Amino acid sequence: DAGVIQSPRHEVTEMGQEVTLRCKLISGHNSLFWYRQTMMRGLELLIYFNNNVPIDDSGMPEDRFSAKMPNASFSTLKIQPSEPRDSAVYFCASPGKERGASTSTDTQYFGPGTRLTVL
Amino acid sequence: AQSVTQLGSHVSVSEGALVLLRCNYSSSVPPYLFWYVQYPNQGLQLLLKYTTGATLVKGINGFEAEFKKSETSFHLTKPSAHMSDAAEYFCAVRDTGRRALTFGSGTRLQVQP
Repeated sequence: DAGVIQSPRHEVTEMGQEVTLRCKLISGHNSLFWYRQTMMRGLELLIYFNNNVPIDDSGMPEDRFSAKMPNASFSTLKIQPSEPRDSAVYFCASPGKERGASTSTDTQYFGPGTRLTVL
Repeated sequence: AQSVTQLGSHVSVSEGALVLLRCNYSSSVPPYLFWYVQYPNQGLQLLLKYTTGATLVKGINGFEAEFKKSETSFHLTKPSAHMSDAAEYFCAVRDTGRRALTFGSGTRLQVQP
């Protein structure tokens, strides 16, 4: 797998505060995806990067959301200011190499997620 | 545009019974298809995938799925349910021209003793 680490695992904040979610890849890769999971909307893509460049950010809800991928191993998703409707689980995902493969797979491997609660 | 429909948000089976979780997709190009499982408070774990080749795909934990192009389906099955199979299952599709996944709404599987 890609070894995806997300921090924090849980975040509780008050409306209006800035929130930064982090994603670290043990094996760096040039593609990275941010998804959001809610009861109402299920799993939905927010943004994905290829070669550290945002390729599709059509899922980013609004200007309050921003994401960066400064290098092949790290990405941040920032919400400023946060609102109660942003409460969700945010997942980071990246393709990984299957055993014995020399190139990455079509499979996306997910981190454990960050559960965000905005009061 | 691609979409995924999972019929039945909740499925309940008895331990030892057949598990059948349904997934239909729409895609304008040959798709890649995936099933993921999510245990409570955890991330998504890949069960199996179809990209090309054999249409019957075997995955982890005894699950398998068959790609049927004529029916635009990719149903997930397991011959005998185990208590540990209780989780939420997501079908996902990816067009070959797009990297991101489109997920179905998920099916929560309950296994009764």
